[in-house]
Amino acid sequence: NAGVTQTPKFQVLKTGQSMTLQCAQDMNHNSMYWYRQDPGMGLRLIYYSASEGTTDKGEVPNGYNVSRLNKREFSLRLESAAPSQTSVYFCASSEVLLARETQYFGPGTRLLVL
Amino acid sequence: QQQVKQSPQSLIVQKGGISIINCAYENTAFDYFPWYQQFPGKGPALLIAIRPDVSEKKEGRFTISFNKSAKQFSLHIMDSQPGDSATYFCAAGWKAGNNRKLIWGLGTSLAVNP
Repeated sequence: NAGVTQTPKFQVLKTGQSMTLQCAQDMNHNSMYWYRQDPGMGLRLIYYSASEGTTDKGEVPNGYNVSRLNKREFSLRLESAAPSQTSVYFCASSEVLLARETQYFGPGTRLLVL
Repeated sequence: QQQVKQSPQSLIVQKGGISIINCAYENTAFDYFPWYQQFPGKGPALLIAIRPDVSEKKEGRFTISFNKSAKQFSLHIMDSQPGDSATYFCAAGWKAGNNRKLIWGLGTSLAVNP
């Protein structure tokens, strides 16, 4: 039982390049989330998926797209990376959407955009 | 007001001491208050959570105190240990239409000196 896994762990991009961050969970959770974490800014929700086949914007969606590929996998795509997207990205999952229960986080992807 | 104000930003405590982190909110619709713990290089993990129908919840050395009238809740770490050195996030959840949302504090970096 690996929980929530994320790939890659580290990535360096040049401005304008694109990339996809991958996330998978093996807990049979319905809901999945993408957050970014920046110093002094806490955790900010980028996109979330309440259930397979649905996605919705969080508080900072600009510059990102997501795909809920199946119940297990939720990917985050940067179409044209910008230095402002340098951050640590966390994927999380929970049994149901942001209910009064635990969100399980992956180990994070550290992204540097030059 | 969808905001949670967390203080202090950083905290240094001696081993065996009590660590106290505070969070304040305005929105009376908040009905779930979790605390997450994050070690360097890792994703956040749920530490303890409380609902507003109780004033205190204790799990081992960790206690949440909740003051509904003052719209404040706090995390107390008794007998703080160097292994407790981490960043702590408070959060607040509420029902928004057919969905639920969660908003995060900006985090407190705790260092416990041996």
